[in-house]
Amino acid sequence: DAKTTQPPSMDCAEGRAANLPCNHSTISGNEYVYWYRQIHSQGPQYIIHGLKNNETNEMASLIITEDRKSSTLILPHATLRDTAVYYCIVRSLGTGKLIFGQGTTLQVKP
Amino acid sequence: NAGVTQTPKFQVLKTGQSMTLQCAQDMNHNSMYWYRQDPGMGLRLIYYSASEGTTDKGEVPNGYNVSRLNKREFSLRLESAAPSQTSVYFCASIAGCVTGNQPQHFGDGTRLSIL
Repeated sequence: DAKTTQPPSMDCAEGRAANLPCNHSTISGNEYVYWYRQIHSQGPQYIIHGLKNNETNEMASLIITEDRKSSTLILPHATLRDTAVYYCIVRSLGTGKLIFGQGTTLQVKP
Repeated sequence: NAGVTQTPKFQVLKTGQSMTLQCAQDMNHNSMYWYRQDPGMGLRLIYYSASEGTTDKGEVPNGYNVSRLNKREFSLRLESAAPSQTSVYFCASIAGCVTGNQPQHFGDGTRLSIL
């Protein structure tokens, strides 16, 4: 199963873009990258996922490098409610299970 | 729009007691998962069920059993609870097959303390 590496913590000013990096150098060609976040101790909330192309939805944008060894989650206008732990996950082929790492704790400050 | 519902939300047990954590989803999803999350850590997979009638072990299955009762329900049982099983338990479900790319949807968790 491919592993991911994320910085343990980041700060972002309210209203600014939050860019959360993730390394997944051992990802296989047909494995997707998923981003989830967890606010306090609630259940993880799905944000976005992608394979090769950049993706955008109402919550965020996902930029995947051409070699697919890293990606960046972008929250375009961070709010205080975006303070959470963000998990970058490569989904395991065959089981569909999500291998969670430690994630990045994003603190949005006023 | 209930999504994934877990019961109970909180539970305190004594060592050696047994209990079953319930999970139900109303999204007609095929696959369901049980995770545990210990303080300061990411989630770890206990068991999963790719479809009704099938179950498979995840990373940390010891001390647990599961039942996929029907397509909607996937229960997790602790036969003899141990303090090391104190954790927050999350259930998740997914549309389509396990090898697809649909995202997992999570419940709000069951907070279990074992004394």
